[in-house]
Amino acid sequence: GAVVSQHPSRVICKSGTSVKIECRSLDFQATTMFWYRQFPKKSLMLMATSNEGSKATYEQGVEKDKFLINHASLTLSTLTVTSAHPEDSSFYICSAREMVGAVGYFGPGTRLTVT
Amino acid sequence: AQKVTQAQTEISVVEKEDVTLDCVYETRDTTYYLFWYKQPPSGELVFLIRRNSFDEQNEISGRYSWNFQKSTSSFNFTITASQVVDSAVYFCALSEANKLVFGAGTILRVKS
Repeated sequence: GAVVSQHPSRVICKSGTSVKIECRSLDFQATTMFWYRQFPKKSLMLMATSNEGSKATYEQGVEKDKFLINHASLTLSTLTVTSAHPEDSSFYICSAREMVGAVGYFGPGTRLTVT
Repeated sequence: AQKVTQAQTEISVVEKEDVTLDCVYETRDTTYYLFWYKQPPSGELVFLIRRNSFDEQNEISGRYSWNFQKSTSSFNFTITASQVVDSAVYFCALSEANKLVFGAGTILRVKS
């Protein structure tokens, strides 16, 4: 299947700092990328949908100023957690797909720990 | 609004038993896609199957099979002769328009 990478796989940061997570589709052009958050033993919660070249669409309850999403190219989307706090600690997963209805391939996830 | 329900939180079986994971969905759209993903302990999500709303044929892939019934809005997943390596969290997901929404997941534990 297609490959989606995420970097970093793990990051520990101090409260108040910002962290950037990258999501790349390695062998296909992703017109849409999704960002999910997963708490331990819970399902994936969709945070935002990002179409290349346009502003991300955030789900209700997700602060767009805190979780900045950029999808500047067909192979790269970034999620920046600004002024991180311990409650932002979570597993963040991106998904990329070529078109509506296409298979969404997932990155391996990024474990964020805010101390 | 779309919704995906996986009523079984956790299932435990003994190796070689068959197991069925249930998925019920809600959508107002006539065109949509259904997916199953596997999340092993490593955390990475693995794509298993996609089915579009116009294709109700059941599918078999090795020990895996899927039963799609539009009349009951269900897309159930059966593993035949389960193995320890099947232990994972399994997610059913629904895609309509521009969103992919997941069910709560079912934890499958296969004991030897």
